[in-house]
Amino acid sequence: DSGVTQTPKHLITATGQRVTLRCSPRSGDLSVYWYQQSLDQGLQFLIQYYNGEERAKGNILERFSAQQFPDLHSELNLSSLELGDSALYFCASSRGSLWETQYFGPGTRLLVL
Amino acid sequence: AQTVTQSQPEMSVQEAETVTLSCTYDTSESDYYLFWYKQPPSRQMILVIRQEAYKQQNATENRFSVNFQKAAKSFSLKISDSQLGDAAMYFCAYRANSGNTPLVFGKGTRLSVIA
Repeated sequence: DSGVTQTPKHLITATGQRVTLRCSPRSGDLSVYWYQQSLDQGLQFLIQYYNGEERAKGNILERFSAQQFPDLHSELNLSSLELGDSALYFCASSRGSLWETQYFGPGTRLLVL
Repeated sequence: AQTVTQSQPEMSVQEAETVTLSCTYDTSESDYYLFWYKQPPSRQMILVIRQEAYKQQNATENRFSVNFQKAAKSFSLKISDSQLGDAAMYFCAYRANSGNTPLVFGKGTRLSVIA
């Protein structure tokens, strides 16, 4: 158990809908990272937050957004969902902002029908 | 852009034997970190081992060790005394130690352990 929690574990929804994925980092970690793992694209970095502020952005679509709250939990919002958004979404956390060792949560499996 | 290549999509090993997974990377940076992550059927991403590029000594964690060849930009993972629980996807990852650069992952190697 990495200490990073993610909810829900599984999510099934329809195209055009909006969903929110939630992540709680390890105790003491200030950075949260979001990744998407799909069959054809592998593991892709989406976005990083450090202590409430956006720090780095990767291959994140405009339909996706994220935030980190004062209690350091983070939410990833996915809107206008498409079939291709079906994937495993991971959250990871680390102590600081400079990308040292990241510990991953169990992931949220999203299926868009 | 940095890239990470794992040239072996699948590998298999007999229980109790040793297996080596390959990873090469491309970078112009001199200061960086390398990682191996394990993803078992549960899909959890588990950190196996980490190597700092400035350290010449190869990292080891129990039955897991790496062969880090900086000049060749090679970072292989050796698993000794393989166990059934080692069966998983293994991902090699790279991160430059400069600014907000992301973790870059290879495509993964699926390891099967034969009893």
